[in-house]
Amino acid sequence: KNQVEQSPQSLIILEGKNCTLQCNYTVSPFSNLRWYKQDTGRGPVSLTIMTFSENTKSNGRYTATLDADTKQSSLHITASQLSDSASYICVVSGNTGRRALTFGSGTRLQVQP
Amino acid sequence: DAGVIQSPRHEVTEMGQEVTLRCKPISGHDYLFWYRQTMMRGLELLIYFNNNVPIDDSGMPEDRFSAKMPNASFSTLKIQPSEPRDSAVYFCASNLGGSASYEQYFGPGTRLTVT
Repeated sequence: KNQVEQSPQSLIILEGKNCTLQCNYTVSPFSNLRWYKQDTGRGPVSLTIMTFSENTKSNGRYTATLDADTKQSSLHITASQLSDSASYICVVSGNTGRRALTFGSGTRLQVQP
Repeated sequence: DAGVIQSPRHEVTEMGQEVTLRCKPISGHDYLFWYRQTMMRGLELLIYFNNNVPIDDSGMPEDRFSAKMPNASFSTLKIQPSEPRDSAVYFCASNLGGSASYEQYFGPGTRLTVT
């Protein structure tokens, strides 16, 4: 069964600190992995998307890594800001069809001043 | 571009009533998705269309749910009759590309409360 597991479930950090969110998946075959940021009351917004051949991708202070061999990904946030407070959702895509999209349950990040 | 547009943003209805949620995808996108998000189950894909044709509706929970896409710029998700367990945020998303796994752009969602 295709699954995406994220950890931690929630995280509180102080403004300016770094943090790393984890995503482990069992989706097969693999097409790509995405990280979404979802602010409270809004739709998810894509941060990064990585294919099998990519092992790191950055978007400003967000850096995602992918290890396709171990089926693990991480999202590193550098110098956190209050606006980083949100849920971060890992989504793994396989082939076309419904099984193409498997969602993690998300990590709720709270950045405190 | 205005992005994906959904209406209404909030809907409160009584159990047994019909509810219709609306979505306008980004112009030119050929895939449209309907999702449901709850605290317990997270994001769930309900159905998606390609070029206005439903491709996979296996995520639609029951016969009470139906979705249509009469043209490239409009889709509806209907629940009839509604039940309290249908309370959730419903998102519409669209993308352009050769498969359903390309990057998707989400609308702001419709928060549905069924009392």
